[in-house]
Order: sequence, then C-alpha cells, then structure tokens
Amino acid sequence: DARVTQTPRDKVTEMGQEVTMRCQPILGHNTVFWYRQTMMQGLELLAYFRNRAPLDDSGMPKDRFSAEMPDATLATLKIQPSEPRDSAVYFCASGLRGMVFFGPGTRLTVL
Amino acid sequence: GESVGLHLPTLSVQEGDNSIINCAYSNSASDYFIWYKQESGKGPQFIIDIRSNMDKRQGQRVTVLLNKTVKHLSLQIAATQPGDSAVYFCAENIGGGSYIPTFGRGTSLIVHP
Repeated sequence: DARVTQTPRDKVTEMGQEVTMRCQPILGHNTVFWYRQTMMQGLELLAYFRNRAPLDDSGMPKDRFSAEMPDATLATLKIQPSEPRDSAVYFCASGLRGMVFFGPGTRLTVL
Repeated sequence: GESVGLHLPTLSVQEGDNSIINCAYSNSASDYFIWYKQESGKGPQFIIDIRSNMDKRQGQRVTVLLNKTVKHLSLQIAATQPGDSAVYFCAENIGGGSYIPTFGRGTSLIVHP
C-alpha cells in the first residue's frame, strides 16, 4: 500500500530555532508538493518539484523557508529561523499525471 | 481589525441520507478535478477524480458531476454514514499538463446518527 510518509508528525519548538520537515514521496511519482494548512488561510501551496527540479516556490517566504529534494526518495522543507506565525500543519504530497496523494502532515507549533 | 478564521460551509445530514457537496471552480482552462476528504488530524485523502471530457464519474457510494458551462462540480455521497463526516475539498488542475492542484476552501459534512 504505497503512501506518502512525513516526519516528524508533531514538532514543538521555540522561536528562532531551525525546523526541518522530511517527506518520502510515493515511488514513481514525479511531482512533489509542499502545502501549509491553517485555519485562517486553508491549504496553501508553498513549493513543488517535478523530477526533483524545483519549479515554483513563490508561495514560500524566501528569507526563511527552503525546500530541497536531494534524491527521489526524500524531500525536505526547512524553516530558519522559525517564527510563531509559522505554526501550521505542513503537508507533503506526491503525484503522477495529476493524481496527487497527501501525507499525514507535520503539525508545527512555534512558541 | 479582528482576524476571523476560515468559515467553512457546513452540510448536516442524517445517517442514511444522500449528501450533495458543491464546488465552483474558477478557471475555465481547468481540465482535471479531484475531490478530497480530510478527517480531523489527517491529510487530505483522494476520493475520486474526473477529467473535463466527462460529465459524470461513479465510484463506490460516490458520484462526481461536472458542469463545465457553469464551472461547477458536485460530489454525491449515497447512504451517508457517520464515517463520512469530514471536510471535503475540490481541487482543480489547469490544463496543459501542469497538474498543480488548486484547492477551494472546503465544505464540512456532519453526519448525525
């Protein structure tokens, strides 16, 4: 049963700390997305990769967020330094020809 | 001013009734659509998809209808069960093979036993 996995599932940190979220996409999927979900904004697209190449990260605050895909089995989203307004659930999703499947999310709380 | 949260439309139904969840999409160039179900504390779960060359697609207990003329999608759930309680999102994909889903704000479905 192929699925997207994300770690950690929950993260509590203090303002100013670095946060790294990891995702393992479904094998064979060529597109990987990072979304953020909050009560205020709903589901927002932060960045996405196709065939490991970053195609669009216009949804991310550039000064503190970075997304990478070092290999086909790992995507990372890093926040440095983290701020309380970054508190949200971060979802990784992977897809092939439009069929996109989501991971369980990382719930981030920045104090 | 005071910030407000995202107020989701809510549909309340009795167990066993049929549910219809509606979605208006924004881009006439969208050619592929997906319905997702999100339960509390979980990620959105793929339910059913439809391409723009179809106007109806059926799954197990679910049917999606597409009206391209008025840019409208609906998700019909037959014999709704308490386990169907969740937030339902439609996502549109703009044509040209980009396949980047853009999400609506969602509808909260509450099923009363």
